[in-house]
Amino acid sequence: KQEVTQIPAALSVPEGENLVLNCSFTDSAIYNLQWFRQDPGKGLTSLLLIQSSQREQTSGRLNASLDKSSGRSTLYIAASQPGDSATYLCAVERAAGNKLTFGGGTRVLVKP
Amino acid sequence: GAGVSQSPSNKVTEKGKDVELRCDPISGHTALYWYRQRLGQGLEFLIYFQGNSAPDKSGLPSDRFSAERTGESVSTLTIQRTQQEDSAVYLCASSPGLAGRETQYFGPGTRLLVL
Repeated sequence: KQEVTQIPAALSVPEGENLVLNCSFTDSAIYNLQWFRQDPGKGLTSLLLIQSSQREQTSGRLNASLDKSSGRSTLYIAASQPGDSATYLCAVERAAGNKLTFGGGTRVLVKP
Repeated sequence: GAGVSQSPSNKVTEKGKDVELRCDPISGHTALYWYRQRLGQGLEFLIYFQGNSAPDKSGLPSDRFSAERTGESVSTLTIQRTQQEDSAVYLCASSPGLAGRETQYFGPGTRLLVL
């Protein structure tokens, strides 16, 4: 059974610092790994999707890496802003069924 | 264009009552998913529909939970004889159905509180 773990569970940084969020998964047989953002009272917003054959994806200030063999992904957010405050979720998609298995999330607070 | 919509946004019910939650996926998306997020916990997969294939019901926690989908459109998640532990945010997502290549687009969720 696939298990996804995110560390740390919560993170507080001053504005301008870089954020590093970690995700690990136990079964390396995945189609892709995705990072989502969840704001209070709202649904999830997809940030980055990394195919199993890729090692990283970048979008603006966001960069996500994937090391499938070691079961790890890292989300980097450069030059954090208060608007980056949210919960960040990592999820992996298996080869069959397409259902996502989520980590518990990292709650991020960027202080102005 | 319109995203995934869910209704109601909030639902308060009494223990033992049945509830129906609705999801309208993005038009043209063949895949539809239901997830549950209980307070302080991560998202749990419940059920997955892909086109006309038999749904993947492997995540449904008990036989009180069921879901239907009409073609490639609206889906309804039904919880019978609700229990307090059913209190959660129920999230629906849809995707174009290209395995592994497309992200899932999530709705805002239905917040269910069972008293």
